[in-house]
Amino acid sequence: EDQVTQSPEALRLQEGESSSLNCSYTVSGLRGLFWYRQDPGKGPEFLFTLYSAGEEKEKERLKATLTKKESFLHITAPKPEDSATYLCAVQAPGERSGYSTLTFGKGTMLLVSP
Amino acid sequence: DTGVSQNPRHKITKRGQNVTFRCDPISEHNRLYWYRQTLGQGPEFLTYFQNEAQLEKSRLLSDRFSAERPKGSFSTLEIQRTEQGDSAMYLCASSLKMGQGYNEQFFGPGTRLTVL
Repeated sequence: EDQVTQSPEALRLQEGESSSLNCSYTVSGLRGLFWYRQDPGKGPEFLFTLYSAGEEKEKERLKATLTKKESFLHITAPKPEDSATYLCAVQAPGERSGYSTLTFGKGTMLLVSP
Repeated sequence: DTGVSQNPRHKITKRGQNVTFRCDPISEHNRLYWYRQTLGQGPEFLTYFQNEAQLEKSRLLSDRFSAERPKGSFSTLEIQRTEQGDSAMYLCASSLKMGQGYNEQFFGPGTRLTVL
């Protein structure tokens, strides 16, 4: 069974204090790893897709990296508007048909204080 | 607005009633997904359509749940004989299949269901 574990569950940072969120996974036949941002009461907002170990992607203050067993979301000099829950998901063949489905972790709730 | 839309945004119902939610995907997207999310958890996959064909259903999807995408455009998710455990946010997402690529899914705002 595919598993995605995110740590920490919650993280509180001061504005400008850089840190990293972790996503470790066990999956058969990884087809992609996705990072999403979710604000309270809203649907997840797509951030990044990573397909192979060693791949990195950046967007503003965020940088995502991927190894064979985990991914990191690095946040550099965060601002209060970066406060949200960050979700990691892996895409792998479905149980019944082989078509790809997403399995999400529980997320990391990030709070950035001014 | 060209994103994924869902209606209604909120639904309060009594236990035992039937409810139906609607999802309108991004217009050119041929794949549509339903997820359920409870407080403190990530979204859990329920089912997936490619065009009008329902290709995958999770074991989470009991017989009381049914989803359709009759013309390959919008989709409906119906829950019959609702139970308090069905209270959750129901999320819809869509993506575009291009060749052998696995494209990112874009989510709607969700429908929050409360079963009293």
